[in-house]
Amino acid sequence: KAGVTQTPRYLIKTRGQQVTLSCSPISGHRSVSWYQQTPGQGLQFLFEYFSETQRNKGNFPGRFSGRQFSNSRSEMNVSTLELGDSALYLCASSSGTGVNYEQYFGPGTRLTVT
Amino acid sequence: AQSVTQLDSQVPVFEEAPVELRCNYSSSVSVYLFWYVQYPNQGLQLLLKYLSGSTLVKGINGFEAEFNKSQTSFHLRKPSVHISDTAEYFCAVSAANTGNQFYFGTGTSLTVIP
Repeated sequence: KAGVTQTPRYLIKTRGQQVTLSCSPISGHRSVSWYQQTPGQGLQFLFEYFSETQRNKGNFPGRFSGRQFSNSRSEMNVSTLELGDSALYLCASSSGTGVNYEQYFGPGTRLTVT
Repeated sequence: AQSVTQLDSQVPVFEEAPVELRCNYSSSVSVYLFWYVQYPNQGLQLLLKYLSGSTLVKGINGFEAEFNKSQTSFHLRKPSVHISDTAEYFCAVSAANTGNQFYFGTGTSLTVIP
């Protein structure tokens, strides 16, 4: 099976712009979660989507949003970028049931805001 | 909510020596526990997980961890480390049966010295 893919891998944006990141989960996985990783704050949960519905949400401002499509692919959008949004954004997919409960992570998108 | 504390931010160890990376968690409900490894410029790879059953869990690359409910700990161990084990290690917790919201520790940087 192909793993979790994220595009683009690297991105440079300017303050005030918006950005959209994409995540394709492992085939058959219906849950997609997003995390922000920074040296200062570590790995922080952004949100989780399951069957096109947001099931869980972390403590991030409304500038961070996401969605999931019927094929389980997910996008994350950040509007009005700030310097502090520079981070590695990781996507994880899960089948989420029983002994298979775990998250499989993609390689991440490195976002730099200048 | 759940939280995770990784007590050591950096652990240097000589090649072929044993290592223990410590993880303590806090939760008012039953939990699932995970250890992930992250190599530079990559996503997270699952080393092992505890969902239920035997408290001693064996994972990939010779790692194992023991779930101790009374001490709320899930320490990671390896009897003999290799240079290739140099990486960042993350402990994570999620509430059992409530969706894929994982809480991560701040990570332990393991450096294996030749």
